[in-house]
Amino acid sequence: GENVEQHPSTLSVQEGDSAVIKCTYSDSASNYFPWYKQELGKGPQLIIDIRSNVGEKKDQRIAVTLNKTAKHFSLHITETQPEDSAVYFCAARSVNYGGSQGNLIFGKGTKLSVKP
Amino acid sequence: GAGVSQSPSNKVTEKGKDVELRCDPISGHTALYWYRQSLGQGLEFLIYFQGNSAPDKSGLPSDRFSAERTGGSVSTLTIQRTQQEDSAVYLCASSPVMGGASNQPQHFGDGTRLSIL
Repeated sequence: GENVEQHPSTLSVQEGDSAVIKCTYSDSASNYFPWYKQELGKGPQLIIDIRSNVGEKKDQRIAVTLNKTAKHFSLHITETQPEDSAVYFCAARSVNYGGSQGNLIFGKGTKLSVKP
Repeated sequence: GAGVSQSPSNKVTEKGKDVELRCDPISGHTALYWYRQSLGQGLEFLIYFQGNSAPDKSGLPSDRFSAERTGGSVSTLTIQRTQQEDSAVYLCASSPVMGGASNQPQHFGDGTRLSIL
């Protein structure tokens, strides 16, 4: 089945700096890669996603890149702000896993701390 | 409602008791997922419902866990004879259509924090 590895587990940056979180996946058939932000006591909130037919996607200060050959994808946050502090999860969906519905397989999360 | 609603938000119970957790998905969403999140861990898939199709129960950790979805909307996750290792946050998510080419995103509720004493 699919396996998703996420690094680093914790990341501390100064306000205004960039933050990068990386994930690798094992199933080459995976075709959908969302990123979620989870604040304390809340459920994960989708912040950006990318499909396997594109290599990069941007939304204001957030961007995601995908390298299908290497089977890894990354989240980039620029000009970080204290409110970006949260746990970030990557996920991958493969139609080869979990039957036809292709369940999301999540990384273990990265705790991002942005220091003012 | 505007988002996925889960109740209760917190549940504390004694080992051996049964618990029921409820999820109200976003109106019109046909796919519904349950996940379990243990402290400091990622999300572990439990079960998936799509329309009137048979649910995918492949992620349920034991036969003490079961779930149903009535009328294609509200879902209940039941844990029988709870054990301390069942302590976790149970998250529900819904999406408008399941997988495939559309790959609609999953929208999560805030979860139920379950503590087994």
